[in-house]
Amino acid sequence: AQSVTQLDSQVPVFEEAPVELRCNYSSSVSVYLFWYVQYPNQGLQLLLKYLSGSTLVKGINGFEAEFNKSQTSFHLRKPSVHISDTAEYFCAVTSNRDDKIIFGKGTRLHILP
Amino acid sequence: DTAVSQTPKYLVTQMGNDKSIKCEQNLGHDTMYWYKQDSKKFLKIMFSYNNKELIINETVPNRFSPKSPDKAHLNLHINSLELGDSAVYFCASSQGGSPNQPQHFGDGTRLSIL
Repeated sequence: AQSVTQLDSQVPVFEEAPVELRCNYSSSVSVYLFWYVQYPNQGLQLLLKYLSGSTLVKGINGFEAEFNKSQTSFHLRKPSVHISDTAEYFCAVTSNRDDKIIFGKGTRLHILP
Repeated sequence: DTAVSQTPKYLVTQMGNDKSIKCEQNLGHDTMYWYKQDSKKFLKIMFSYNNKELIINETVPNRFSPKSPDKAHLNLHINSLELGDSAVYFCASSQGGSPNQPQHFGDGTRLSIL
């Protein structure tokens, strides 16, 4: 069975500082990985996805993530955050062997002025 | 031009009542989902339909009954509402039900049971 672990439930960071949100997954087969963002009172939106190929994927709003198979990680990064990045961020995993997506418990990104 | 729309956005009702939430997508997708998000933001899949056929039915009380009249609509009916049903319910859709396709979410229905 697959699983996703987001180690940090909350990450406070000052505006214009860099941020990394951590995600580790567990799976016995090849995976597809996603990061979604949920702004207050909204649904989830896709930030970026890794399906295959280049391990560094770029998404919307200046975010990027790196797939590291040996460390089973897919950490999300942004070099300089803005107050508008305040949201809940979800890492998710699927594979060709499973018919459903597994979401992590989310990390709340809190931007400090 | 909303892609996935849910109604109502807010639903406040008393324990024991029966209520429905509607979902429609105009993306041309053939797979639709219902998720429950609890107060701690944990997101759990409830149901998935592909071309009106049920393909995922997680361990959900049978008080919850999804209905898909066509592939653009997936409604959720809940009988005999309980306090523990209070949550945000999200509808989502994807193309082909393939695991490498991202899902598109509605803005959620906030259900509060008094």
